[in-house]
Amino acid sequence: DTAVSQTPKYLVTQMGNDKSIKCEQNLGHDTMYWYKQDSKKFLKIMFSYNNKELIINETVPNRFSPKSPDKAHLNLHINSLELGDSAVYFCASHDRAGNTIYFGEGSWLTVV
Amino acid sequence: GENVEQHPSTLSVQEGDSAVIKCTYSDSASNYFPWYKQELGKRPQLIIDIRSNVGEKKDQRIAVTLNKTAKHFSLHITETQPEDSAVYFCAEANTGNQFYFGTGTSLTVIP
Repeated sequence: DTAVSQTPKYLVTQMGNDKSIKCEQNLGHDTMYWYKQDSKKFLKIMFSYNNKELIINETVPNRFSPKSPDKAHLNLHINSLELGDSAVYFCASHDRAGNTIYFGEGSWLTVV
Repeated sequence: GENVEQHPSTLSVQEGDSAVIKCTYSDSASNYFPWYKQELGKRPQLIIDIRSNVGEKKDQRIAVTLNKTAKHFSLHITETQPEDSAVYFCAEANTGNQFYFGTGTSLTVIP
């Protein structure tokens, strides 16, 4: 009964490939996020969705495309992967009433 | 909303001593300030939070203080234990539910 679950947990792929990371939350939250954590541990927001609508789109290359089929799911598709995309990607959801962000377990992406 | 400065970036303390981590923000509309602990290889998890109408909040060995005038807030951990070793992140959010995180503090508690 994991609250925010994302798959895959580990992903090793070659440069130039296209890959997707999926995220699902069963908390009934309206807002979901994608964060990128690089090797320096910085947590940088990439996208925010509220009820399937894009709210925040930080300076992220067009190769990254989020998709939210419903408010419980927020997937991240990455085209033409580059070495610099290697990072941990965290999905998160937001409890508007409690103002708390809950993170998924992270997806470790390594581009070789 | 994006400018959250966090200091120090690394902190080592002896077991039993106190640890203090400070964050500064710039957005006057920020009204919610959570702190997250991230253990190695794990997800960030909320440990304590404070809202803009409160100056201080305490939960056992951890406490958070907020100075809205100066736009800074701090995490205090007393009687540190080795299991407190982790990376700690401050964050700030406004009514638009935009969360921005500090750059993290790597805390090491030396037994």
